[in-house]
Amino acid sequence: EAQVTQNPRYLITVTGKKLTVTCSQNMNHEYMSWYRQDPGLGLRQIYYSMNVEVTDKGDVPEGYKVSRKEKRNFPLILESPSPNQTSLYFCASLPAARAYGTEAFFGQGTRLTVV
Amino acid sequence: DAKTTQPTSMDCAEGRAANLPCNHSTISGNEYVYWYRQIHSQGPQYIIHGLKNNETNEMASLIITEDRKSSTLILPHATLRDTAVYYCIVSFNAGGTSYGKLTFGQGTILTVHP
Repeated sequence: EAQVTQNPRYLITVTGKKLTVTCSQNMNHEYMSWYRQDPGLGLRQIYYSMNVEVTDKGDVPEGYKVSRKEKRNFPLILESPSPNQTSLYFCASLPAARAYGTEAFFGQGTRLTVV
Repeated sequence: DAKTTQPTSMDCAEGRAANLPCNHSTISGNEYVYWYRQIHSQGPQYIIHGLKNNETNEMASLIITEDRKSSTLILPHATLRDTAVYYCIVSFNAGGTSYGKLTFGQGTILTVHP
């Protein structure tokens, strides 16, 4: 089954304690991205990756890092989490950024609370 | 990417068809109409997309007007589990920009009631 898998689904952590949210896709997609969703603000892109070893900032990259060492994995790293990073996070993948008529696949979401 | 206009909310009785409209009067020739939905706090889920012709899959049907300025998503037999926010997007790729960014508007909150 084609899917994007995120872990963990829920996470409560303390300010400053480094954490990683994992994302993996099994569709050999080139493009992967991270979004955060906050009430009234919709989906905002954090980082994206066009392919292995190619990453770039989205609209709200501050406080986040990513890496793309393998095609299937795109972890989101919070080096020093702060309460304003409390949010619902989604990983998404596409066959390619400019692939016509294709559909996007999303992970189940990670609800992060930073206290 | 062309902008879309959707009603803020709609209700539907369980077992009846849910018809969700979307206006996209500035759509260009190579842009698809995409529909996604998001059930409370879950990841957005792709439903269907189309370019010119009407489309049907196991989840829904998509009716696109001949001038392509509007479309309707039809859930033929709505269930309680179809309660969600439904997003209509027009784009050439998956609903995103040329850099793959996906932008969902406010969408339509569909409530299916018993």
